[in-house]
Amino acid sequence: GAGVSQSPRYKVAKRGQDVALRCDPISGHVSLFWYQQALGQGPEFLTYFQNEAQLDKSGLPSDRFFAERPEGSVSTLKIQRTQQEDSAVYLCASSLVSGQGASGSYEQYFGPGTRLTVT
Amino acid sequence: AQSVAQPEDQVNVAEGNPLTVKCTYSVSGNPYLFWYVQYPNRGLQFLLKYITGDNLVKGSYGFEAEFNKSQTSFHLKKPSALVSDSALYFCAVRDRANQAGTALIFGKGTTLSVSS
Repeated sequence: GAGVSQSPRYKVAKRGQDVALRCDPISGHVSLFWYQQALGQGPEFLTYFQNEAQLDKSGLPSDRFFAERPEGSVSTLKIQRTQQEDSAVYLCASSLVSGQGASGSYEQYFGPGTRLTVT
Repeated sequence: AQSVAQPEDQVNVAEGNPLTVKCTYSVSGNPYLFWYVQYPNRGLQFLLKYITGDNLVKGSYGFEAEFNKSQTSFHLKKPSALVSDSALYFCAVRDRANQAGTALIFGKGTTLSVSS
């Protein structure tokens, strides 16, 4: 079956531009996560959705970052007024269940990522 | 605070030899532990996980990992390495007692290089 897909795969933005990154999770997956992976580092959590509800946005680095999942399926991560420090790979992951408590044992399935370069 | 340490940036091993990629973790409660592999220009692929029970967990592609609670470790192992195993490996943890927390906490990754 289809896995998690992300688009675009590569994005070059000039500093100050707004960007929108799209994630299509695995069909039927309740949970959706966004992570940021800087060069040479492991992924770092940005935000989490359970269906359409954004339950945790504690990892968003600034108010320039905004994510939505209006119908509980596709999600968009938007970065306003991009800065050079925003350059990273943005990973989306989905999971079958809520991920909370005992459901945290379920693995997350990752998309290929969007590599954002801010010049 | 939860954290994961992968003390080796790179592990080099000859094809056919056993391999170990080290991981230690820190959580306030009991952990769920995961290993993922990342190939160039591709997303992370799930390898295996420890939930409860047997400390030795078997996963995809012949990999296994051993949970050691006293040493707070979850080292990834394979009896006989293949050149195709060369990739970037990430260990990740989630605190099962954290009802609100859902994110995986990742280590910084270990590059495995298998030579022929």
